[in-house]
Amino acid sequence: GAVVSQHPSRVICKSGTSVKIECRSLDFQATTMFWYRQFPKQSLMLMATSNEGSKATYEQGVEKDKFLINHASLTLSTLTVTSAHPEDSSFYICSARGVPDTQYFGPGTRLTVL
Amino acid sequence: GQSLEQPSEVTAVEGAIVQINCTYQTSGFYGLSWYQQHDGGAPTFLSYNGLDGLEETGRFSSFLSRSDSYGYLLLQELQMKDSASYFCAVSRISGNTGKLIFGQGTTLQVKP
Repeated sequence: GAVVSQHPSRVICKSGTSVKIECRSLDFQATTMFWYRQFPKQSLMLMATSNEGSKATYEQGVEKDKFLINHASLTLSTLTVTSAHPEDSSFYICSARGVPDTQYFGPGTRLTVL
Repeated sequence: GQSLEQPSEVTAVEGAIVQINCTYQTSGFYGLSWYQQHDGGAPTFLSYNGLDGLEETGRFSSFLSRSDSYGYLLLQELQMKDSASYFCAVSRISGNTGKLIFGQGTTLQVKP
Protein backbone atom coordinates (compact mmCIF):
# COMPACT_ATOMS: atom_id res chain seq x y z
CA GLY A 1 0.00 0.00 0.00
CA ALA A 2 0.89 3.66 -0.19
CA VAL A 3 3.27 5.17 2.34
CA VAL A 4 2.54 8.31 4.27
CA SER A 5 5.00 9.74 6.77
CA GLN A 6 4.58 12.28 9.54
CA HIS A 7 7.14 14.33 11.36
CA PRO A 8 7.68 14.65 14.22
CA SER A 9 6.28 11.50 15.77
CA ARG A 10 6.19 13.04 19.20
CA VAL A 11 6.49 16.62 20.44
CA ILE A 12 6.33 18.24 23.83
CA CYS A 13 6.01 21.99 23.99
CA LYS A 14 5.21 24.78 26.38
CA SER A 15 1.84 26.46 26.42
CA GLY A 16 1.68 29.39 24.01
CA THR A 17 4.15 28.05 21.48
CA SER A 18 3.35 26.94 17.94
CA VAL A 19 4.01 23.48 16.61
CA LYS A 20 4.28 22.42 12.96
CA ILE A 21 3.51 18.86 11.88
CA GLU A 22 4.47 17.63 8.42
CA CYS A 23 2.66 14.99 6.43
CA ARG A 24 4.27 13.52 3.32
CA SER A 25 3.05 11.02 0.77
CA LEU A 26 6.21 9.15 -0.14
CA ASP A 27 5.31 7.12 -3.19
CA PHE A 28 2.33 8.83 -4.76
CA GLN A 29 0.98 12.30 -5.39
CA ALA A 30 -1.85 13.33 -3.14
CA THR A 31 -4.00 16.22 -4.24
CA THR A 32 -6.08 15.73 -1.14
CA MET A 33 -4.91 15.08 2.39
CA PHE A 34 -6.88 14.99 5.59
CA TRP A 35 -6.04 15.92 9.15
CA TYR A 36 -7.59 14.11 12.10
CA ARG A 37 -7.36 14.42 15.84
CA GLN A 38 -7.84 11.54 18.23
CA PHE A 39 -8.17 11.76 22.00
CA PRO A 40 -7.44 8.68 24.12
CA LYS A 41 -9.95 5.87 23.73
CA GLN A 42 -11.95 7.92 21.23
CA SER A 43 -12.54 7.86 17.52
CA LEU A 44 -10.80 9.88 14.85
CA MET A 45 -12.33 13.28 14.35
CA LEU A 46 -11.82 14.91 10.97
CA MET A 47 -10.44 18.40 11.42
CA ALA A 48 -9.93 19.57 7.88
CA THR A 49 -9.43 18.61 4.25
CA SER A 50 -6.24 19.88 2.71
CA ASN A 51 -6.25 20.52 -1.04
CA GLU A 52 -3.05 21.14 -2.96
CA GLY A 53 -2.84 24.70 -4.14
CA SER A 54 -5.98 25.93 -2.43
CA LYS A 55 -7.31 26.76 1.00
CA ALA A 56 -8.15 23.98 3.39
CA THR A 57 -11.74 23.13 4.21
CA TYR A 58 -12.34 22.97 7.94
CA GLU A 59 -14.96 20.92 9.74
CA GLN A 60 -17.51 22.65 11.88
CA GLY A 61 -16.10 23.69 15.22
CA VAL A 62 -12.45 23.63 14.14
CA GLU A 63 -10.76 27.03 14.38
CA LYS A 64 -8.97 27.72 11.13
CA ASP A 65 -6.85 30.47 12.69
CA LYS A 66 -5.62 28.09 15.36
CA PHE A 67 -4.96 25.09 13.12
CA LEU A 68 -3.19 26.42 10.04
CA ILE A 69 -2.98 24.05 7.12
CA ASN A 70 -0.75 24.46 4.10
CA HIS A 71 -0.67 22.04 1.17
CA ALA A 72 2.07 23.54 -0.93
CA SER A 73 2.91 20.51 -3.05
CA LEU A 74 1.43 17.20 -4.15
CA THR A 75 3.44 15.36 -1.52
CA LEU A 76 3.43 17.66 1.49
CA SER A 77 0.80 19.09 3.80
CA THR A 78 1.56 20.83 7.08
CA LEU A 79 -0.56 21.47 10.14
CA THR A 80 0.53 24.24 12.50
CA VAL A 81 -1.05 24.36 15.93
CA THR A 82 -0.71 28.01 16.91
CA SER A 83 -0.48 29.18 20.51
CA ALA A 84 -0.92 25.64 21.75
CA HIS A 85 -2.61 25.00 25.09
CA PRO A 86 -2.85 21.85 27.20
CA GLU A 87 -6.29 21.07 25.80
CA ASP A 88 -4.69 20.78 22.35
CA SER A 89 -2.71 17.78 23.56
CA SER A 90 -3.80 14.92 21.35
CA PHE A 91 -2.80 12.44 18.67
CA TYR A 92 -2.79 14.16 15.29
CA ILE A 93 -3.00 11.93 12.25
CA CYS A 94 -2.87 12.82 8.58
CA SER A 95 -4.03 10.75 5.67
CA ALA A 96 -3.70 10.90 1.93
CA ARG A 97 -6.48 9.92 -0.40
CA GLY A 98 -5.81 6.99 -2.66
CA VAL A 99 -7.67 4.68 -4.98
CA PRO A 100 -10.23 3.22 -4.70
CA ASP A 101 -11.59 5.82 -2.31
CA THR A 102 -9.29 4.71 0.47
CA GLN A 103 -7.16 6.73 2.80
CA TYR A 104 -3.61 5.90 3.78
CA PHE A 105 -2.73 7.14 7.21
CA GLY A 106 0.50 8.51 8.53
CA PRO A 107 1.91 7.11 11.78
CA GLY A 108 0.56 10.04 13.79
CA THR A 109 2.08 12.78 15.93
CA ARG A 110 1.55 12.79 19.67
CA LEU A 111 1.43 16.37 20.89
CA THR A 112 1.79 17.16 24.57
CA VAL A 113 1.40 20.78 25.66
CA LEU A 114 2.67 21.54 29.14
CA GLY B 1 -27.12 14.44 10.49
CA GLN B 2 -24.82 11.49 10.25
CA SER B 3 -24.08 8.69 12.66
CA LEU B 4 -22.41 5.31 12.75
CA GLU B 5 -23.02 2.69 15.38
CA GLN B 6 -20.82 -0.24 16.23
CA PRO B 7 -20.40 -2.24 19.44
CA SER B 8 -17.91 -0.77 21.87
CA GLU B 9 -16.28 -4.05 22.86
CA VAL B 10 -16.08 -7.62 21.65
CA THR B 11 -14.23 -10.53 23.23
CA ALA B 12 -13.38 -13.82 21.51
CA VAL B 13 -10.90 -16.66 21.78
CA GLU B 14 -8.03 -17.58 19.52
CA GLY B 15 -9.11 -19.47 16.44
CA ALA B 16 -12.70 -18.28 16.65
CA ILE B 17 -14.70 -16.16 14.22
CA VAL B 18 -16.00 -12.75 15.18
CA GLN B 19 -18.33 -10.35 13.40
CA ILE B 20 -18.32 -6.61 14.08
CA ASN B 21 -21.46 -4.86 12.88
CA CYS B 22 -21.82 -1.28 11.75
CA THR B 23 -25.00 0.61 10.99
CA TYR B 24 -24.95 4.08 9.57
CA GLN B 25 -27.10 7.07 8.80
CA THR B 26 -25.64 9.60 6.43
CA SER B 27 -26.36 11.60 3.33
CA GLY B 28 -24.17 11.30 0.28
CA PHE B 29 -23.09 7.75 1.10
CA TYR B 30 -20.39 6.46 -1.19
CA GLY B 31 -18.88 3.41 0.50
CA LEU B 32 -17.95 1.72 3.78
CA SER B 33 -14.38 1.11 4.91
CA TRP B 34 -12.85 -0.74 7.82
CA TYR B 35 -9.68 0.19 9.64
CA GLN B 36 -7.64 -1.48 12.35
CA GLN B 37 -5.80 0.47 14.99
CA HIS B 38 -3.47 -0.93 17.61
CA ASP B 39 -2.82 1.01 20.81
CA GLY B 40 -0.59 3.99 20.09
CA GLY B 41 -0.57 3.37 16.36
CA ALA B 42 -2.24 4.85 13.32
CA PRO B 43 -5.22 3.26 11.57
CA THR B 44 -4.44 0.78 8.83
CA PHE B 45 -6.81 0.08 5.99
CA LEU B 46 -8.46 -3.35 6.01
CA SER B 47 -11.30 -3.40 3.53
CA TYR B 48 -13.66 -1.31 1.43
CA ASN B 49 -17.18 -1.95 0.12
CA GLY B 50 -18.53 0.33 -2.56
CA LEU B 51 -21.18 -2.13 -3.70
CA ASP B 52 -23.47 -4.53 -1.90
CA GLY B 53 -22.00 -7.89 -1.09
CA LEU B 54 -18.99 -9.53 0.42
CA GLU B 55 -15.35 -8.58 -0.05
CA GLU B 56 -12.78 -11.11 1.10
CA THR B 57 -9.17 -10.37 1.93
CA GLY B 58 -7.44 -13.28 3.58
CA ARG B 59 -8.80 -13.85 7.07
CA PHE B 60 -10.85 -10.66 6.89
CA SER B 61 -14.11 -10.17 5.02
CA SER B 62 -16.43 -7.21 4.88
CA PHE B 63 -20.05 -7.02 3.86
CA LEU B 64 -22.30 -4.15 2.84
CA SER B 65 -26.05 -3.81 2.38
CA ARG B 66 -26.89 -0.34 1.14
CA SER B 67 -30.62 -0.89 1.45
CA ASP B 68 -30.21 -1.74 5.14
CA SER B 69 -27.50 0.88 5.79
CA TYR B 70 -25.55 -1.92 7.37
CA GLY B 71 -22.20 -3.58 7.08
CA TYR B 72 -19.98 -5.91 9.00
CA LEU B 73 -16.38 -6.98 9.32
CA LEU B 74 -15.76 -10.69 9.74
CA LEU B 75 -12.50 -11.89 11.24
CA GLN B 76 -11.73 -15.58 10.95
CA GLU B 77 -9.11 -17.77 12.64
CA LEU B 78 -8.54 -15.11 15.26
CA GLN B 79 -5.00 -14.55 16.44
CA MET B 80 -3.74 -12.73 19.52
CA LYS B 81 -2.32 -9.99 17.29
CA ASP B 82 -5.86 -9.20 16.12
CA SER B 83 -6.52 -7.56 19.49
CA ALA B 84 -7.04 -3.95 18.47
CA SER B 85 -9.69 -1.34 17.80
CA TYR B 86 -11.69 -1.66 14.61
CA PHE B 87 -13.40 1.32 13.03
CA CYS B 88 -16.00 1.41 10.34
CA ALA B 89 -15.95 4.57 8.27
CA VAL B 90 -18.38 5.98 5.78
CA SER B 91 -17.12 7.69 2.65
CA ARG B 92 -19.17 10.73 1.81
CA ILE B 93 -19.02 12.86 -1.26
CA SER B 94 -18.56 16.49 -0.41
CA GLY B 95 -17.91 18.61 -3.46
CA ASN B 96 -15.08 16.91 -5.30
CA THR B 97 -13.54 15.41 -2.22
CA GLY B 98 -14.48 12.21 -0.45
CA LYS B 99 -14.44 12.46 3.34
CA LEU B 100 -14.32 9.67 5.85
CA ILE B 101 -16.56 9.76 8.89
CA PHE B 102 -15.51 7.25 11.52
CA GLY B 103 -17.56 5.23 13.95
CA GLN B 104 -16.60 5.17 17.61
CA GLY B 105 -14.64 1.96 17.22
CA THR B 106 -14.93 -1.58 18.55
CA THR B 107 -12.27 -2.86 20.88
CA LEU B 108 -11.60 -6.51 20.13
CA GLN B 109 -9.90 -8.57 22.79
CA VAL B 110 -8.66 -11.98 21.73
CA LYS B 111 -8.05 -14.40 24.57
CA PRO B 112 -5.96 -17.58 24.51
